[in-house]
Amino acid sequence: DAGVTQSPTHLIKTRGQQVTLRCSPKSGHDTVSWYQQALGQGPQFIFQYYEEEERQRGNFPDRFSGHQFPNYSSELNVNALLLGDSALYLCASSQQVPNGYTFGSGTRLTVV
Amino acid sequence: KQEVTQIPAALSVPEGENLVLNCSFTDSAIYNLQWFRQDPGKGLTSLLLIQSSQREQTSGRLNASLDKSSGRSTLYIAASQPGDSATYLCAGHFAGGYNKLIFGAGTRLAVHP
Repeated sequence: DAGVTQSPTHLIKTRGQQVTLRCSPKSGHDTVSWYQQALGQGPQFIFQYYEEEERQRGNFPDRFSGHQFPNYSSELNVNALLLGDSALYLCASSQQVPNGYTFGSGTRLTVV
Repeated sequence: KQEVTQIPAALSVPEGENLVLNCSFTDSAIYNLQWFRQDPGKGLTSLLLIQSSQREQTSGRLNASLDKSSGRSTLYIAASQPGDSATYLCAGHFAGGYNKLIFGAGTRLAVHP
């Protein structure tokens, strides 16, 4: 049984570019959340998707947007990349009423 | 404001020691608390999930407790091994309409032979 799958594993982008990260949730999970983890810090909540809609959003600018597809997979898009966007981006899946979260291995984004 | 704090930030112990990692939170209206392990540059591996109605959970050499009234959780690791070296994160899922995890900054554990 596959857990949460994220792609790509690593990514290097230039400041000002746009990036798309992808996530496939664990089988049986219909809710996807995205987190940003800067070096040496705990993950910070970006947003959560359920039934193809953004259900909740953390304190992140509109440059961060997302999408959920009918098969529950999700994308995170970041526009106009800044150096400060360099981080590990984690995807977590859960059931609609969460009873614990399962995380993927993350995508390491480096903005140069 | 809901906050989660972990103490200590880093810990170095010799192999075989029993150790306790601490996690405190400011909001007692908690649904559950989850402990994770993170190896350098990797994702999060769930270790234990404690529901608000539970006092503790055990898995192998790991035992986690939850005390809502005092806003504390502890992760106890028995007979530590070098393979336990990693960062340990606790995260709370709180009531109040916030359907997300709030994380502490983690405790970086090094177990040396």
